[in-house]
Amino acid sequence: KQEVTQIPAALSVPEGENLVLNCSFTDSAIYNLQWFRQDPGKGLTSLLLIQSSQREQTSGRLNASLDKSSGRSTLYIAASQPGDSATYLCALLGAGGFQKLVFGTGTRLLVSP
Amino acid sequence: GAGVSQSPSNKVTEKGKDVELRCDPISGHTALYWYRQSLGQGLEFLIYFQGNSAPDKSGLPSDRFSAERTGGSVSTLTIQRTQQEDSAVYLCASSLGSGLAENEQFFGPGTRLTVL
Repeated sequence: KQEVTQIPAALSVPEGENLVLNCSFTDSAIYNLQWFRQDPGKGLTSLLLIQSSQREQTSGRLNASLDKSSGRSTLYIAASQPGDSATYLCALLGAGGFQKLVFGTGTRLLVSP
Repeated sequence: GAGVSQSPSNKVTEKGKDVELRCDPISGHTALYWYRQSLGQGLEFLIYFQGNSAPDKSGLPSDRFSAERTGGSVSTLTIQRTQQEDSAVYLCASSLGSGLAENEQFFGPGTRLTVL
């Protein structure tokens, strides 16, 4: 059974810092990995999707990497802003025809002005 | 274009009553998913629809839960005889398809269900 863990559970940084969020998983047989952000009381916003054959994806100040062999993904946020404050979730789509995302435990990020 | 929409945004009901939650996927998306987000359990998969194929119901927690997808578009999640442990945010997502380049899931705002 796929287990997905995110470290740290919570992170507080001053504005402008670069930061890294970590996601680890136990089963490397995946189709893709998605990073989402969730604002309080809201749904999920897709940030980046990495297919299993890819090693990284970039969008603006965000860069996500994937290392299937070690069961790890990182989300790098450059020059953090207060508007980046949210909960960040990684989720994996497993291989084997099962079309369900398995979500990590989330990292709650607070960026202070 | 319009994203995934869900209604109602909030629902408060009494224990034992039935509730229906609605999801409108992104136009043209053939795959639709329901997830549940509760305080103690995180985000968990409930059910998946792909085109006209039989749905994957493997995540439904009990037979009080059922879902339909009419005409390959709108979906309704029904919870019968609600219990307090059903209180959660119910999230719907859709994707273009299930193929490798089509399986990015886009989520709606959710329905917050409170069972008193």
